[in-house]
Amino acid sequence: LAKTTQPISMDSYEGQEVNITCSHNNIATNDYITWYQQFPSQGPRFIIQGYKTKVTNEVASLFIPADRKSSTLSLPRVSLSDTAVYYCLVGDARNYGGSQGNLIFGKGTKLSVKP
Amino acid sequence: DTGVSQDPRHKITKRGQNVTFRCDPISEHNRLYWYRQTLGQGPEFLTYFQNEAQLEKSRLLSDRFSAERPKGSFSTLEIQRTEQGDSAMYLCASRFPTQGSGANVLTFGAGSRLTVL
Repeated sequence: LAKTTQPISMDSYEGQEVNITCSHNNIATNDYITWYQQFPSQGPRFIIQGYKTKVTNEVASLFIPADRKSSTLSLPRVSLSDTAVYYCLVGDARNYGGSQGNLIFGKGTKLSVKP
Repeated sequence: DTGVSQDPRHKITKRGQNVTFRCDPISEHNRLYWYRQTLGQGPEFLTYFQNEAQLEKSRLLSDRFSAERPKGSFSTLEIQRTEQGDSAMYLCASRFPTQGSGANVLTFGAGSRLTVL
């Protein structure tokens, strides 16, 4: 399974755009890139997923360059409620059996949004 | 069905006791995952099921940990002879058996927090 590298923490102010970059140099052909958000004392919550190029939903955008060795989560106009830990995962949970079907979390990026 | 349910939300026990956590996944989800999360760390994968079959259990932390999903619906995670180092949040997640987009989209429960005294 590909390993990911993210900044440990980031600070921002309300109303700013926040970009969190994740490195995944060993990403495999079938791997997807998925981002989760986690608030204290809650389980992680799915934000966005992509395979290549750009994906946008009502919450965020995900930019993936052609080589797929990195990805950037973009949060537009953050608010205080976006303060959370953000995890980047790469993997292919479609695989059946053995250790290939699980998904590995790193330590994530702790985003602090200030007034 | 509003999501993944975990019970209990909090458990305080004394060292050496056995504890069991229950997870009720979203009913249409056939894959169920257990993770452990300690303070300041990301969730750590423990085991997962495809229906009632446990497809990966080598990541269970020791032989004191076991998980079951007897009818392919709810699952239990048991820790025998608990130790203080077992204190953590135990998370359950489930997902659809999809292909392609959505393959890695897990829905997590709120977790069961264990404190071992």
